[in-house]
Amino acid sequence: GAVVSQHPSRVICKSGTSVKIECRSLDFQATTMFWYRQFPKQSLMLMATSNEGSKATYEQGVEKDKFLINHASLTLSTLTVTSAHPEDSSFYICSAGGGGQPDNEQFFGPGTRLTVL
Amino acid sequence: AQSVTQLDSQVPVFEEAPVELRCNYSSSVSVYLFWYVQYPNQGLQLLLKYLSGSTLVKGINGFEAEFNKSQTSFHLRKPSVHISDTAEYFCAVKKKTSGSRLTFGEGTQLTVNP
Repeated sequence: GAVVSQHPSRVICKSGTSVKIECRSLDFQATTMFWYRQFPKQSLMLMATSNEGSKATYEQGVEKDKFLINHASLTLSTLTVTSAHPEDSSFYICSAGGGGQPDNEQFFGPGTRLTVL
Repeated sequence: AQSVTQLDSQVPVFEEAPVELRCNYSSSVSVYLFWYVQYPNQGLQLLLKYLSGSTLVKGINGFEAEFNKSQTSFHLRKPSVHISDTAEYFCAVKKKTSGSRLTFGEGTQLTVNP
């Protein structure tokens, strides 16, 4: 299957700082990327869907000014957690689809563990 | 809207025993069905998927699942589990529409004991 990478895999930051997480599709051009958040022992919660070159569509209850998503190219999407606070600590996972891949499949990145002190 | 219910949050089994992880879904339209596995601190890996055709789907690592339309179920099975199968398993559905999202169940923690 296709490969999706995330960077960094783990980040620790101080409260009030901003953190950027990158999601890259390594061997295909992803027309759609999804960002998920996962709390311990829970399922994945979709935060937003982004299509290359257009604004992301955020799920209800997700603050678009806090979680900035940019999908500037067909291989890269970024999630920036602005003014992070301890309650933003979580596991963030991206997935990518489209671009010649089977329409029915998304490929997941390995996740980024964010800890806000 | 779609919803997915995984009937067991935790399933403990002994090594080499068979296992079934249950998944039921609800949808007003036709969907694709998936099972993913997640090891600690990792992303999701696709185990298998049902798109159409034969209702018995075989996946990686010896897993298989059967789509039952009348019962709206997609249970995951393995005849003999290994310690290395210990992980979180997620059932998911997706509308048959380009760019549509995955809807996940709450997950089932499979723990294989020696």
